[in-house]
Amino acid sequence: DILMTQSPSSLSASVGDRVTITCRASQSISSSLNWYQQKPGKAPNLLIYAAASLQSGVPSRFSGSGFGTDFTLTISSLQPEDFATYYCQQSYSIPRTFGGGTKVEI
Amino acid sequence: QVQLQQSGPGLVKPSQTLSLTCAISGDSVSSNSATWNWIRQSPSRGLEWLGRTYSRSKWDSDYAVSVKSRISISPDTSKNQFSLQLISVTPEDTAVYYCARGAPAAFDYWGRGTLVTVSS
Repeated sequence: DILMTQSPSSLSASVGDRVTITCRASQSISSSLNWYQQKPGKAPNLLIYAAASLQSGVPSRFSGSGFGTDFTLTISSLQPEDFATYYCQQSYSIPRTFGGGTKVEI
Repeated sequence: QVQLQQSGPGLVKPSQTLSLTCAISGDSVSSNSATWNWIRQSPSRGLEWLGRTYSRSKWDSDYAVSVKSRISISPDTSKNQFSLQLISVTPEDTAVYYCARGAPAAFDYWGRGTLVTVSS
């Protein structure tokens, strides 16, 4: 199985901050990397697919980059509704695997 | 707009079978471009993909090794839904269970989740 490792596991930030979350795969996954946002009591919501493609309806302050084993999710200017937990997920091979999450707190 | 409506019991006794159903609207379980997935989430295991079913030239399924001997995911084309069965459950199977559409790689639509507790 491909192990997905996110860092940091949590971070504190303020409204307006630029936030970067990293995800590392245990082997090369090309650009087969997706990012999700999850709020308490809700299902995850797809933000970025194929490493850098913005899902329809997702604000443009979210962006993704990376290839191979190292990926980043960037929030250019943190908004109050962005305080949540973020997960990466590889879609390179079966089984699909997720990172452990990054909780973005005030 | 795709919607996934989950149903099934929230409490299952140890050694019994966990059964959940996911009804699809706005898409077809027989779609040649989507996959239909079950994912669970618990504090101890995080987000864990369990398996999927999909139709290409024929129906197929894939399962996580951790549950492969106990799981079945099957489509019901007459009702446009798919189901999860997990046999011989233990308290370690306690989790929130989600169904999700794979489009086909990223999970773009999710059900609301069902908390399933395994307890006598």
